[in-house]
Amino acid sequence: KQEVTQIPAALSVPEGENLVLNCSFTDSAIYNLQWFRQDPGKGLTSLLLIQSSQREQTSGRLNASLDKSSGRSTLYIAASQPGDSATYLCAVRFGTSGSRLTFGEGTQLTVNP
Amino acid sequence: GAGVSQSPSNKVTEKGKDVELRCDPISGHTALYWYRQSLGQGLEFLIYFQGNSAPDKSGLPSDRFSAERTGGSVSTLTIQRTQQEDSAVYLCASSLGGAGFSYNEQFFGPGTRLTVL
Repeated sequence: KQEVTQIPAALSVPEGENLVLNCSFTDSAIYNLQWFRQDPGKGLTSLLLIQSSQREQTSGRLNASLDKSSGRSTLYIAASQPGDSATYLCAVRFGTSGSRLTFGEGTQLTVNP
Repeated sequence: GAGVSQSPSNKVTEKGKDVELRCDPISGHTALYWYRQSLGQGLEFLIYFQGNSAPDKSGLPSDRFSAERTGGSVSTLTIQRTQQEDSAVYLCASSLGGAGFSYNEQFFGPGTRLTVL
């Protein structure tokens, strides 16, 4: 069964700290991996998309890496701010699952002022 | 608007009633997806449309669930004879291309929160 796991489930850090969120997946045959953030009561906002041929993608203070062979991705957030507080979701488009995304359970991030 | 829109934002219904949820994708996006987010189940795929056809319906939980898409644009998800376990947030997403595209970043709408009493 193709699964996506995110660790930790929750994380609380002081403002200004650099942090890493982890995502692992069970099948290395993927098309791409997408990181989202979800604010309470809201939909999902796409942060970064990494193609299977890429090793990393950057957007502002965010950097996502992909290691297909080990089935892992990390989302690095630099100089965290209270506005970064949200749930971060990792989603994988597996090669044998058509166009659907398979989601992890998410990491709930709280950045304290 | 430029994003995916969904209506209604909230829907409260009584057990046994039928409901219709609407999704308006980003203009020009040929692929459309429905997902469901519920406590304890996380985010689950329901159905995928490429144009007006649905090549992947494998995530629909029962035959009470159906969806259609018309004109390659708006989609409606219908739940018949609603049950309490149908309570969830129903999310719609669209992407420029579908299964034939290796690059298909999915963009999500704000969701419809369904509560079945």
